[in-house]
Amino acid sequence: DGGITQSPKYLFRKEGQNVTLSCEQNLNHDAMYWYRQDPGQGLRLIYYSQIVNDFQKGDIAEGYSVSREKKESFPLTVTSAQKNPTAFYLCASSIMGEAGELFFGEGSRLTVL
Amino acid sequence: AQKVTQAQTEISVVEKEDVTLDCVYETRDTTYYLFWYKQPPSGELVFLIRRNSFDEQNEISGRYSWNFQKSTSSFNFTITASQVVDSAVYFCALSDLTQGGSEKLVFGKGTKLTVNP
Repeated sequence: DGGITQSPKYLFRKEGQNVTLSCEQNLNHDAMYWYRQDPGQGLRLIYYSQIVNDFQKGDIAEGYSVSREKKESFPLTVTSAQKNPTAFYLCASSIMGEAGELFFGEGSRLTVL
Repeated sequence: AQKVTQAQTEISVVEKEDVTLDCVYETRDTTYYLFWYKQPPSGELVFLIRRNSFDEQNEISGRYSWNFQKSTSSFNFTITASQVVDSAVYFCALSDLTQGGSEKLVFGKGTKLTVNP
């Protein structure tokens, strides 16, 4: 089945450690996104990419980094510079031109101990 | 700046009741899209509907219906004869076509709907 796969589903990290969240899609979508969700909050955009080897900062990019070396993959690294990294992270993809019809993964829940 | 407000944080209804989820948006653009997404307990968001700013016709899909009113900047979502499976968090979102459309969505904070048997 086509879809978006995020891993790991749950992740625990000690303060000061970087951690990378994986996002893979087999939908042949050009655009990919990372959102952060906090309890009682909406989704906030971290980074997005519309084409391989190119990506743009979203609203809350500080403390995060991404890469887009392959169309299918858009990993997110949560660095030690991110002051409050405990959150639910959602990856999404879309067809270019299909405004806003995002397909989401099941998310990764990161907890910093 | 674009903004989406979902004033209802949580709603609880009994099965078979009708329920309306409110969404009010702010934008200076004349061209935009509005969306509703459903987030069940499993976590992934599911796309429900997209409506462009030029189409104010109401839409019905089974037990779901949407009322778009530009005059009040609202895009409300009604579930008729609610069922336990409708329990989820529902997000309203706004996109901006002039910035490429597929680039960014601004989400509201969501409304948690609980349908009790």
